[in-house]
Amino acid sequence: GNSVTQMEGPVTLSEEAFLTINCTYTATGYPSLFWYVQYPGEGLQLLLKATKADDKGSNKGFEATYRKETTSFHLEKGSVQVSDSAVYFCALRISGGYNKLIFGAGTRLAVHP
Amino acid sequence: DSGVTQTPKHLITATGQRVTLRCSPRSGDLSVYWYQQSLDQGLQFLIHYYNGEERAKGNILERFSAQQFPDLHSELNLSSLELGDSALYFCASSAVAGGGTDTQYFGPGTRLTVL
Repeated sequence: GNSVTQMEGPVTLSEEAFLTINCTYTATGYPSLFWYVQYPGEGLQLLLKATKADDKGSNKGFEATYRKETTSFHLEKGSVQVSDSAVYFCALRISGGYNKLIFGAGTRLAVHP
Repeated sequence: DSGVTQTPKHLITATGQRVTLRCSPRSGDLSVYWYQQSLDQGLQFLIHYYNGEERAKGNILERFSAQQFPDLHSELNLSSLELGDSALYFCASSAVAGGGTDTQYFGPGTRLTVL
């Protein structure tokens, strides 16, 4: 079946540290891949996406590259800020009729000054 | 702000009751999706409507139903509520019904508490 596995949190970093949140997927067909972010008390916001292999999604200093050979879509940021503290969700969508998003369990990031 | 609105923001009710959650999609979007976020199940897809028609069902209980109206807003009806139905319910919308570039934008959610 189709599924997403994320590294367990919480991830705790100091400000300006490098961030990696691992995400791997299992999918039938060719998925589109997404990172969503949920700030405390808020809904989900699309952070970035990639729709085919080797695409790199980027936004607000975050990046993720769609790696078909390793079935991965790891989220990275070179220098995190306190305001990046949130829960990050990796998700996939299989194109071709069944349009639901399949989410990972989420990874909580806490950034300290 | 995603452009997707949901009402109410919070809802507290008792077991056995029925509630209706409302969602207005972004202007021009034809698809509406409902998701449930709970501590034990995570984020789960419930149902998808496109231009008034049901397109796909996920882990939606028989006690739950939804519809999309001609003005494209959607309602999720939850009946015979149980304690385990307490969760955050998200609505998302997208322009069409799929395809590589179709992106779902989420509303702020409705937090349902069943006492």
